[in-house]
Amino acid sequence: GESVGLHLPTLSVQEGDNSIINCAYSNSASDYFIWYKQESGKGPQFIIDIRSNMDKRQGQRVTVLLNKTVKHLSLQIAATQPGDSAVYFCAERRAGTYKYIFGTGTRLKVLA
Amino acid sequence: SQTIHQWPATLVQPVGSPLSLECTVEGTSNPNLYWYRQAAGRGLQLLFYSVGIGQISSEVPQNLSASRPQDRQFILSSKKLLLSDSGFYLCAWKASGVTDTQYFGPGTRLTVL
Repeated sequence: GESVGLHLPTLSVQEGDNSIINCAYSNSASDYFIWYKQESGKGPQFIIDIRSNMDKRQGQRVTVLLNKTVKHLSLQIAATQPGDSAVYFCAERRAGTYKYIFGTGTRLKVLA
Repeated sequence: SQTIHQWPATLVQPVGSPLSLECTVEGTSNPNLYWYRQAAGRGLQLLFYSVGIGQISSEVPQNLSASRPQDRQFILSSKKLLLSDSGFYLCAWKASGVTDTQYFGPGTRLTVL
């Protein structure tokens, strides 16, 4: 399948530890943000989203934090598992547009 | 539930040949549709998007074109492929209205030789 993340920043974490993946977004007018997980050869899979009127949102084992002051988004994965190994992308949607702008991605490697 | 399909899954084409990639969405009406390209080790580049039948917005001038002949069908085409067209092509959809989440298809890996 397609190899993604060949030149992407890599985060290596021990199985069972918590992972934090960071993303800086570009436009202060962005009002909606998404985190995706992409496994090799597959399309990105939706993980969690957050609107700009929130600063935190929790899902199952995942939490997204939004800091609008510094235009920073983070994804926290609790108790990281081998199946979490993938490339993670953040995306921002500019208010009033239909377009989504993607970050460059981070490869997460889970060490047994 | 909604489902998005792309075909073919993989494609190897010679330089100068035409291209047609197809994307269909099931289980929703009047979706916003998107084509992205992903080069190896890179992020996603938005190529085209459509908010309705026959309406196409182009983001990157190149030798690719898109069409939306039916509500839930989105086609990516080229008359003559270039080596630089190689990549992983992803179709995505978003429900019309107030929901914002964008969902991706399985992708087509295109290799131009």
